[in-house]
Amino acid sequence: EAQVTQNPRYLITVTGKKLTVTCSQNMNHEYMSWYRQDPGLGLRQIYYSMNVEVTDKGDVPEGYKVSRKEKRNFPLILESPSPNQTSLYFCATRDLGTGELFFGEGSRLTVL
Amino acid sequence: GDSVTQMEGPVTLSEEAFLTINCTYTATGYPSLFWYVQYPGEGLQLLLKATKADDKGSNKGFEATYRKETTSFHLEKGSVQVSDSAVYFCALSYNTDKLIFGTGTRLQVFP
Repeated sequence: EAQVTQNPRYLITVTGKKLTVTCSQNMNHEYMSWYRQDPGLGLRQIYYSMNVEVTDKGDVPEGYKVSRKEKRNFPLILESPSPNQTSLYFCATRDLGTGELFFGEGSRLTVL
Repeated sequence: GDSVTQMEGPVTLSEEAFLTINCTYTATGYPSLFWYVQYPGEGLQLLLKATKADDKGSNKGFEATYRKETTSFHLEKGSVQVSDSAVYFCALSYNTDKLIFGTGTRLQVFP
């Protein structure tokens, strides 16, 4: 079954405590990306990766890092989380042939 | 820049009512257009898409037609069900470029 798996699904943390949200896909897609979803703002792209070792900033990259050391994994790193990073985060892969995005189930992060 | 505008929700309907969710876009070129649906507690999933003007995307009873003259891609369904309650996102994209999403429209269907 085609899957995009994110962990953790829920996390409450405190300001400044580094955290990583993992994302793994089994569809062999080259393109992966991270979005955050906030009320009234829809989905905004944080970072994306067109292939291994290739990452680029999206619309709201400040305060985030990513890495793409292998095709299936694309972790999102918050080096020093702040309350304005409280949000619902989605990892997605993209079939570049059809253009379709495949989303994970989301990770709800709360930074106190 | 390119953008997508959706009607604000929530849209509240009784079961079997007709649904329209408006979506208009601003684009410098000729993008593909998408509707994604997000059920409670889940990620988004593709509902339908259209890749060029006058194309009609359809799936699960939902339809949307790519109207270049009005820059619109309105989502319609003839008879909604309670199970259609979700948040619906309109989006546009050029080839391998990122998707630009609207802010989403929540649909609530009551028995």
